[in-house]
Amino acid sequence: GAGVSQSPSNKVTEKGKDVELRCDPISGHTALYWYRQSLGQGLEFLIYFQGNSAPDKSGLPSDRFSAERTGGSVSTLTIQRTQQEDSAVYLCASSQDRSYSPLHFGNGTRLTVT
Amino acid sequence: DQQVKQNSPSLSVQEGRISILNCDYTNSMFDYFLWYKKYPAEGPTFLISISSIKDKNEDGRFTVFLNKSAKHLSLHIVPSQPGDSAVYFCAANPSNDYKLSFGAGTTVTVRA
Repeated sequence: GAGVSQSPSNKVTEKGKDVELRCDPISGHTALYWYRQSLGQGLEFLIYFQGNSAPDKSGLPSDRFSAERTGGSVSTLTIQRTQQEDSAVYLCASSQDRSYSPLHFGNGTRLTVT
Repeated sequence: DQQVKQNSPSLSVQEGRISILNCDYTNSMFDYFLWYKKYPAEGPTFLISISSIKDKNEDGRFTVFLNKSAKHLSLHIVPSQPGDSAVYFCAANPSNDYKLSFGAGTTVTVRA
């Protein structure tokens, strides 16, 4: 079946512009995560959605970052007034609603802020 | 605060030999550990996991060992194959938290 789909695969933007990154999770997966990987770093947790529960936003680095998940499926991560330090690969993952269910990652969006 | 550490950024091994990847963690509440494999321009894919009630889990050529007292786990790949060349991430989470903490990764290169 189809895996996690992310778009765009690459995004180059000017400092100060807003960007939107999209994630289509695996059908039936109720949990959705956003992570990012900066150059030479591990994966950094950003935000988590589970069903209709309030999202866990504890990993968002600043109030310029926000995310929503519509209809329990597609998610959009928005970065306002982008800065050069926002340059990273943004990874979306989904999983089934059960303990210790492995995350299935998309191929990521490589964001470059110039 | 890096709770999961992979201190070797890279590893080169000859085809057919064993690859040993190491991972250390600091959070004593972690009780589930995973290894992910990542090829360039792709997302990480789940490889193997182990819960804290075990000290070893094996799946084909891949074996994960857990030493809770040392807060250390390792991944053994034997025999190593060229297709194993990738970045390997160690990850962990406590039972009451769905957020995985990841290490920085180890790049494995398998030489023919």
